[in-house]
Amino acid sequence: SQKIEQNSEALNIQEGKTATLTCNYTNYSPAYLQWYRQDPGRGPVFLLLIRENEKEKRKERLKVTFDTTLKQSLFHITASQPADSATYLCALRDISGGGADGLTFGKGTHLIIQP
Amino acid sequence: DTAVSQTPKYLVTQMGNDKSIKCEQNLGHDTMYWYKQDSKKFLKIMFSYNNKELIINETVPNRFSPKSPDKAHLNLHINSLELGDSAVYFCASSQSGTGVFEAFFGQGTRLTVV
Repeated sequence: SQKIEQNSEALNIQEGKTATLTCNYTNYSPAYLQWYRQDPGRGPVFLLLIRENEKEKRKERLKVTFDTTLKQSLFHITASQPADSATYLCALRDISGGGADGLTFGKGTHLIIQP
Repeated sequence: DTAVSQTPKYLVTQMGNDKSIKCEQNLGHDTMYWYKQDSKKFLKIMFSYNNKELIINETVPNRFSPKSPDKAHLNLHINSLELGDSAVYFCASSQSGTGVFEAFFGQGTRLTVV
C-alpha cells in the first residue's frame, strides 16, 4: 500500500515569509494528489488538488507542485499570516487494494506562523 | 447548513459497552466514509460505502460496523468497546464518477473509553 511522508511534524515560519511543506509518497504515482487543512477540534477541509499531468496549481496565496519523478508534492503559502497556522495534510487515493476506497493521508505538518 | 454533521461531538463510555455515532450529509453525495484519527493525529480510513457496497479496511476489527439507512446517512456502531478504540472518528462524503475524490468531513466525534 502507499505510504505518505510529510517533511516535518512542526514548522515555524515568520509572518510574511513563504511556508513550504513537503509530501513524499513511496509507491506508484497517483492520478492526483490533494492537500487539506485541519484546525484543532475540526475535520479536514479541502484546499487544492493537482493531477499527475499538472506541474503546478495555484489558488490565491497557495501553490502546489507535483513531481512524479521525485514522487513529491510541495505546498507553498506565500505572504503567510498567523491565520494560516494549522495542520496541513497531504492525501491521495490508494488503489493498491486491500483497503477501503478512500483517501490515504500523511501524518500532517503543524504549521505555526509567528507574528 | 452543515454539509456533513455527526453526533455526538464527545462520547465517554466504559469498556465493554456498545455505542453508535451518527452521520448525515446534505450534499447529495453517493459515497460516505468513516475515518479514525488516533492520538498521534494519524488519519486512517476505516470504511467506504457507495450504492450499498461496503468496502472495509482490512485492519478494522469486526466490532465496528457501519449502517446506512439511506444515501444521506452512514452511522457507525461499535460493540464491546476497548481502551484502544479511544480516538476521534470522522465521517466524510464525496461524489464518485467525477474522478476528483474531494472529501467533505464532519467535525469529528471524540470517543473516550474508560
